[in-house]
Amino acid sequence: GQQVMQIPQYQHVQEGEDFTTYCNSSTTLSNIQWYKQRPGGHPVFLIQLVKSGEVKKQKRLTFQFGEAKKNSSLHITATQTTDVGTYFCAGTMNTGFQKLVFGTGTRLLVSP
Amino acid sequence: GAGVSQSPSNKVTEKGKDVELRCDPISGHTALYWYRQRLGQGLEFLIYFQGNSAPDKSGLPSDRFSAERTGESVSTLTIQRTQQEDSAVYLCASSPPGLANTDTQYFGPGTRLTVL
Repeated sequence: GQQVMQIPQYQHVQEGEDFTTYCNSSTTLSNIQWYKQRPGGHPVFLIQLVKSGEVKKQKRLTFQFGEAKKNSSLHITATQTTDVGTYFCAGTMNTGFQKLVFGTGTRLLVSP
Repeated sequence: GAGVSQSPSNKVTEKGKDVELRCDPISGHTALYWYRQRLGQGLEFLIYFQGNSAPDKSGLPSDRFSAERTGESVSTLTIQRTQQEDSAVYLCASSPPGLANTDTQYFGPGTRLTVL
């Protein structure tokens, strides 16, 4: 079936270090979205990428959509304790029901 | 404006009982999703409603699970004869109308279900 995998599953960094999570789809995506879920909270939309090779930045966060539109990455520069949470990518497949398929998530822990 | 709301926020039930979870999407949102999230795990897709189209039920784990949606408003997720493995947070999300590949999902706070 349609799968969207993320690596790593979990990462623990010291405050100030950089962090990257990678998202890989088994099929080509129409778009990729990223969500953040704080501990005990619900997922909150961060950004959407639509074009092949697109790069978008939000302050310390950099999002990239691969040229083949099958992978994406989220990079956080100089992590802060407020970055703690689970980051999910979600993509709409080019075929099938057009529903959004969520990745497996990367849990980030930042120590002060 | 009001976001997605879900009720109850917490539900404790005994094994074998039926439960009904409710989701009120954002007004005007045509798409509605139900997900299950077990502790420390990712989002498990359950069912997707889009306008008046037939729902995508491909994620429902067994015939004990069913969901209904009245037009483009309230949705209820029903779990019959609950089992302990049904314990999880059940999240609802809605999306505004438009191109399917540009919808942002707005999540409700979830219902935490505990089956004893």
